[in-house]
Amino acid sequence: KAGVTQTPRYLIKTRGQQVTLSCSPISGHRSVSWYQQTPGQGLQFLFEYFSETQRNKGNFPGRFSGRQFSNSRSEMNVSTLELGDSALYLCASSFFGGLETQYFGPGTRLLVL
Amino acid sequence: GNSVTQMEGPVTLSEEAFLTINCTYTATGYPSLFWYVQYPGEGLQLLLKATKADDKGSNKGFEATYRKETTSFHLEKGSVQVSDSAVYFCALSESNAGGTSYGKLTFGQGTILTVHP
Repeated sequence: KAGVTQTPRYLIKTRGQQVTLSCSPISGHRSVSWYQQTPGQGLQFLFEYFSETQRNKGNFPGRFSGRQFSNSRSEMNVSTLELGDSALYLCASSFFGGLETQYFGPGTRLLVL
Repeated sequence: GNSVTQMEGPVTLSEEAFLTINCTYTATGYPSLFWYVQYPGEGLQLLLKATKADDKGSNKGFEATYRKETTSFHLEKGSVQVSDSAVYFCALSESNAGGTSYGKLTFGQGTILTVHP
């Protein structure tokens, strides 16, 4: 069974631009969670989607948004990029987003110049 | 709120040494506990997990026991290898009164492990 895939793997953007990241979960998984990983803040939860609905949200500004499609694929958008948005963005999938294991993709590394 | 406190690193060991990485947590409800490992340039891989008190998770020679009385989930391995060099993250999946977590993992800061031949 294929794992979680994320595209693109690397991105370079400039301040003020916007970016869209994509995540395809493991087949059959309906929950997709997004995390930001930085050296200073570690791994922080952004949001979770299940059946096209956002069920949970972390403490990030409104510039960070997401959506999920009927095939469970998810996208994350960051508008008006800031230097501090440079990070590794990880998505993870699970069947129901409960207490079960989340399976992570390889991540998208975003560099904001 | 919920939190995970992980042993500060980095940890440097010689091959075949004994490994312990401490992890303690604060949570309401009944969390599941996880150890994830991250190799350079990769995402996180599940190493082991435990879903209730006194459960022991184990995989690839690594073990951790869910201790509710001490709110701990320490990672141990009896004999490390060079290939174990990676970053290790302790995490919890919190649940609300209804038993759902809505896909949120809370992570510790991570411990860098380097094993020398």
